[in-house]
Amino acid sequence: SQKIEQNSEALNIQEGKTATLTCNYTNYSPAYLQWYRQDPGRGPVFLLLIRENEKEKRKERLKVTFDTTLKQSLFHITASQPADSATYLCAPRGPGADGLTFGKGTHLIIQP
Amino acid sequence: EADIYQTPRYLVIGTGKKITLECSQTMGHDKMYWYQQDPGMELHLIHYSYGVNSTEKGDLSSESTVSRIRTEHFPLTLESARPSHTSQYLCASSDGLLGSYNEQFFGPGTRLTVL
Repeated sequence: SQKIEQNSEALNIQEGKTATLTCNYTNYSPAYLQWYRQDPGRGPVFLLLIRENEKEKRKERLKVTFDTTLKQSLFHITASQPADSATYLCAPRGPGADGLTFGKGTHLIIQP
Repeated sequence: EADIYQTPRYLVIGTGKKITLECSQTMGHDKMYWYQQDPGMELHLIHYSYGVNSTEKGDLSSESTVSRIRTEHFPLTLESARPSHTSQYLCASSDGLLGSYNEQFFGPGTRLTVL
């Protein structure tokens, strides 16, 4: 069955440093992969999408990579700020699928 | 801020009661979804809809039912609530256009507690 793995432990990063979050998937060949941010008690908010034929995507301080050979996506936040503290969810999707399959998410803590 | 709304935000109810969780969106999206999420756990898709009069079950089996009579509304109903239904329920929508990449807009969620 499809499996999505994200860093299970909370990730503590010093303010100003780059945070790197990992998403690994198995038994899956997603046409694209999405990243969402979720704050406590709130619904997820879409951040970025990367297609299978794209190696890298950037948006302001965010960068996503997608390696279909390794079956892995990396999510980077540069110049991290305490306001970036949240849970980040990875959602790879196969073509024709309905809804999204989410990982458990990585809890990111940016310390001042 | 996404134009998708859920009510109530919090609900505490006794076992055996019938409840309806409301979800509405003003974006004119055809596709709508219900996810269930326990604390610290992943979201699981329980229902989705392609459009009016379309409802499908998701990956996670659920005793709840849904209806889609109007494009903007996608209510979820539990006929007889049980403590095992205690969870957060998240509604989402997407434009569902052919070729779109299905970015989903989520509501704030309803946190349900069944005593």
